[in-house]
Amino acid sequence: DVKVTQSSRYLVKRTGEKVFLECVQDMDHENMFWYRQDPGLGLRLIYFSYDVKMKEKGDIPEGYSVSREKKERFSLILESASTNQTSMYLCASRGRSSYNEQFFGPGTRLTVL
Amino acid sequence: ILNVEQSPQSLHVQEGDSTNFTCSFPSSNFYALHWYRWETAKSPEALFVMTLNGDEKKKGRISATLNTKEGYSYLYIKGSQPEDSATYLCAFYGNEKLTFGTGTRLTIIP
Repeated sequence: DVKVTQSSRYLVKRTGEKVFLECVQDMDHENMFWYRQDPGLGLRLIYFSYDVKMKEKGDIPEGYSVSREKKERFSLILESASTNQTSMYLCASRGRSSYNEQFFGPGTRLTVL
Repeated sequence: ILNVEQSPQSLHVQEGDSTNFTCSFPSSNFYALHWYRWETAKSPEALFVMTLNGDEKKKGRISATLNTKEGYSYLYIKGSQPEDSATYLCAFYGNEKLTFGTGTRLTIIP
């Protein structure tokens, strides 16, 4: 059974803290993605990675960075968390072909106080 | 940023009834159109990936059609069941990334 896992389902942090969200996939996928989901908005792409140590900005990269040191792991980093980063964060992975479906993790609901 | 629109935003359907909803997307530079189902407290799961104009795909009671020339796709659910309650997302693949619509939230009334 293919799987994308995320380190936490719920997370509460304080403004200014550095936050790490971890994502691991067991499908040997080349491509990995970080999205956020907010009420009334579709899933919005923050960053993606098509290979180890490679990263590309998505539509809303400001305030975030990413790290991909190993193929199976893709981390999202909030350098200094702010209240407007309170959101649901979803990680996804996809095989090499652009036509493949994406496989999603269960999401991390982050609250920044 | 590409514009992908879904309608309606939400829908309540009686169990046993059939229903459908719409995804509109840019008709230029089309590569693929994805449909996902997202049940509460679960991960979004792919239903279909559609690539050709006129494509029709089916999975059980759920089917989808694609018109790339006019930029729309329909998702149909026949004989709705309570387990069909979910948010249905479409996503347009272009410029090497997926752009998602805001989803149609479907509630099946027993």
